[in-house]
Amino acid sequence: QSALTQPPSASGSPGQSVTISCTGTSNDIGDYRFVSWYQQHTGKAPKLIIFDVNKRPSGIPDRFSGSKSGNTASLTVSGLQADDEADYYCNSYAGANNWVFGGGTKLTVL
Amino acid sequence: QVQLVQSETEVKKSGDSVKVSCKASGYTFTKFGVSWVRQAPGQGLEWIGWISPYNGNTNAAQKLRGRLTMTSDTSTRTAYMELTNLRSDDTAVYYCAREVNRLDFWGQGTLVIVSS
Repeated sequence: QSALTQPPSASGSPGQSVTISCTGTSNDIGDYRFVSWYQQHTGKAPKLIIFDVNKRPSGIPDRFSGSKSGNTASLTVSGLQADDEADYYCNSYAGANNWVFGGGTKLTVL
Repeated sequence: QVQLVQSETEVKKSGDSVKVSCKASGYTFTKFGVSWVRQAPGQGLEWIGWISPYNGNTNAAQKLRGRLTMTSDTSTRTAYMELTNLRSDDTAVYYCAREVNRLDFWGQGTLVIVSS
């Protein structure tokens, strides 16, 4: 199972929006709606911010949104804040109780 | 509140085995899966396996099959991950996470250091 493809880095100024892509295949992202996104601050455990492509867990602000088209999922962070600076990982179900992560994107708030 | 509390740091030698525990609380243990995810120093997240505490079904990532064993004990609400024949590239923080088509709650992580 190959990792999903994410850009290694992304950046934006406070208040701006940034979108992070996550490209998989027809065997994972393209075939399932179980796409999720995780935020990880340095030295901390990952935190779920988007699940089922575009749903937010309780407590996650609506500045975070997700979408999917074909084999590619996207995470958009609007109204960038300093605390959004972190690593972001996408994850998809790949069938038969297999899961696959993206390589991660380091988001810098300029 | 949902909590997953993992065992402490382990330091092992190449060829050894390690067993990491993950004690769950705040939810019905058998109604959710448990996934294991590892993160090598400075690297990204890698899903390595899954167990259903309900029936004991497991699935390990292909690269670790034969070396990774996952078990659970419903009486103590604890999931375990055992990795054998350790190599230096197994050095990582190992996380457990509750799974319900996403990983919604995570343990604090267990650092496993493998020295040659």
